[in-house]
Amino acid sequence: QVQLVESGGGLVKPGGSQRLSCAASGFTFSDYYMSWIRQAPGKGLEWVSYISSSGSAIYYADSVKGRFTTSRDNAKNSVYLQMDSLRAEDTAVYFCARRTGVNRAFDYWGQGTLVTVSS
Amino acid sequence: EIVLTQSPGTLSLSPGERATLSCRASQSVSNNYLAWYQQKPGQAPRLLIYGASSRATGIPDRFSGSGSGTDFTLTISRLEPEDFAVYYCQQYGSSSFTFGPGTKVDIK
Repeated sequence: QVQLVESGGGLVKPGGSQRLSCAASGFTFSDYYMSWIRQAPGKGLEWVSYISSSGSAIYYADSVKGRFTTSRDNAKNSVYLQMDSLRAEDTAVYFCARRTGVNRAFDYWGQGTLVTVSS
Repeated sequence: EIVLTQSPGTLSLSPGERATLSCRASQSVSNNYLAWYQQKPGQAPRLLIYGASSRATGIPDRFSGSGSGTDFTLTISRLEPEDFAVYYCQQYGSSSFTFGPGTKVDIK
């Protein structure tokens, strides 16, 4: 069965950095685009980034462009989110999700990892 | 960037009733790249509908999606107790995704 497991969340100071990981299993990871989506406490969903199956194409939301970097390692079935210059407004649960091939939806999600940016 | 607006913000209904949720886009959604998700407290979202009207794997047929262009609808024909949750629409276009603010369906 498809599983996505995020890790790396925690408490970080404003201006600091954090690296999130998402380990995938149960499907051919290298065939799928992957995405990061976040949800601030009590708020709605916000798309953060996605990366193509090969890693050659990466896109970001304007709110994180220039501060966050998405990468993947297909040999390790993992996708990563490097977050730099963190702000209080980046506080959220971060989900990784698998993007469907044709219909541009997210068919499997991890359980999420909480990042709290606070002094 | 396409902005999605969902209405109503909250829908108070009883089990067995019909729920009609609206999602309106600020511009036409290309190729009907419109999806709906259900989220319960403390859980990840679950894909219900993709391509505006196709049910995802394992989704009961009481959930249906319709619409095109800028106006989309999610209908739950008869609410079951497990359907009380928050519902989000999501679109893809110009290499980015946006989500609507959500509609909460709660028990009347």
